[in-house]
Amino acid sequence: EIVMTQSPATLSVSPGERATLSCRASQSVSSNLAWYQQKPGQAPRLLIYGASTRATGIPARFSGSGSGTEFTLTISSLQSEDFAVYYCQQYNNWPRTFGPGTKVDIK
Amino acid sequence: QVQLVQSGAEVKKPGASVKVSCKASGYTFTSYDINWVRQATGQGLEWMGWMNPNSGNTGYAQKFQGRVTMTRNTSISTAYMELSSLRSEDTAVYYCASSSYYDRPWFDPWGQGTLVTVSS
Repeated sequence: EIVMTQSPATLSVSPGERATLSCRASQSVSSNLAWYQQKPGQAPRLLIYGASTRATGIPARFSGSGSGTEFTLTISSLQSEDFAVYYCQQYNNWPRTFGPGTKVDIK
Repeated sequence: QVQLVQSGAEVKKPGASVKVSCKASGYTFTSYDINWVRQATGQGLEWMGWMNPNSGNTGYAQKFQGRVTMTRNTSISTAYMELSSLRSEDTAVYYCASSSYYDRPWFDPWGQGTLVTVSS
């Protein structure tokens, strides 16, 4: 099973600032990585797939990069609606696995 | 629009079974796989397994083998996840999510979630 790790666990950011979230896989997943956003009481929402492709309707301030075992989600200028938990997920191997999440909260 | 709508919250006793439904609309139900993911309160996301609604083929995470069954009724575009021998640790929100192994293996969209509470 591929183990996904994320850092930091919590990221405190002021509105308008840049946020950089990291995700690491225990073995290569190529570019078969997705990022999801989850707000309290809501289902996760797809942000990024293929490590760097924004899903439909996702603002350009969200960008993803990386391949192999190291990945990054960047939010260029945090808006109030971006404070949430972010999960990475690999879909290169079975079972599909998620990282433990990074909570982005208001500084 | 493409949508997955799940059944309502359930309360079950330890040892019982629960069956959660996930109704698809806005697309051809048999064209995409259905995955099930659960989330205990304050915890992360845990993938449980997948089902191909066209063939009925399934794949389960090892942790749930023998306890989970994923089925479907194509006539009403609905997928089901049944979990048996429930214990308190199974208390969680259960989500269904659509994917396609060949061209869209990421999970999108997701159902709204179903809270299953296991308590004596």
